[in-house]
Amino acid sequence: DQQVKQNSPSLSVQEGRISILNCDYTNSMFDYFLWYKKYPAEGPTFLISISSIKDKNEDGRFTVFLNKSAKHLSLHIVPSQPGDSAVYFCAASALWSGNTGKLIFGQGTTLQVKP
Amino acid sequence: DGGITQSPKYLFRKEGQNVTLSCEQNLNHDAMYWYRQDPGQGLRLIYYSQIVNDFQKGDIAEGYSVSREKKESFPLTVTSAQKNPTAFYLCASSSDRVNTEAFFGQGTRLTVV
Repeated sequence: DQQVKQNSPSLSVQEGRISILNCDYTNSMFDYFLWYKKYPAEGPTFLISISSIKDKNEDGRFTVFLNKSAKHLSLHIVPSQPGDSAVYFCAASALWSGNTGKLIFGQGTTLQVKP
Repeated sequence: DGGITQSPKYLFRKEGQNVTLSCEQNLNHDAMYWYRQDPGQGLRLIYYSQIVNDFQKGDIAEGYSVSREKKESFPLTVTSAQKNPTAFYLCASSSDRVNTEAFFGQGTRLTVV
């Protein structure tokens, strides 16, 4: 079963507008969430994370929101730039797993930012 | 520069042959991981190791084997028992601090011909 789900395979936005990428999870034991950005044929790079004790974390143009009751998190990119075009993966982990590096990933959302 | 190095970037293997993918890190991380990415799917965990000389199976370990003889190295062998080995393989590492991200290598594209 898919414990972390990104239900939108793709998203297209205009440069300068907001991009909102969504992620849902099923396991209430998850307590740390991350977003990674990935270009084709490259490894993912870490973008931003949030712990379950927070509901928002901001880093420059990137903000992650966490709604624990809904088991939902979202990544907001404002303003979107053409260089943001990539695949974005949501990931989750739980302290009970013994190591936060053991991440469970969603399927990814391909973001295209049009100039 | 500190980081994770995977080699080779592209690898071709004949059906029925074993092949070993290399992963080296100089970040002094205790934990290392192997993930597999297939088109339209997320990253799935194959094996992970939290300490030298110890490793555990992930979600899709069948047909794979690993070793962790050194802290810096975590090679993955794709055996002939792996039924669908063509994929993009990613190695990652992380420290043992709580709530920290994993760092990924650049990946190895394995194609079985």
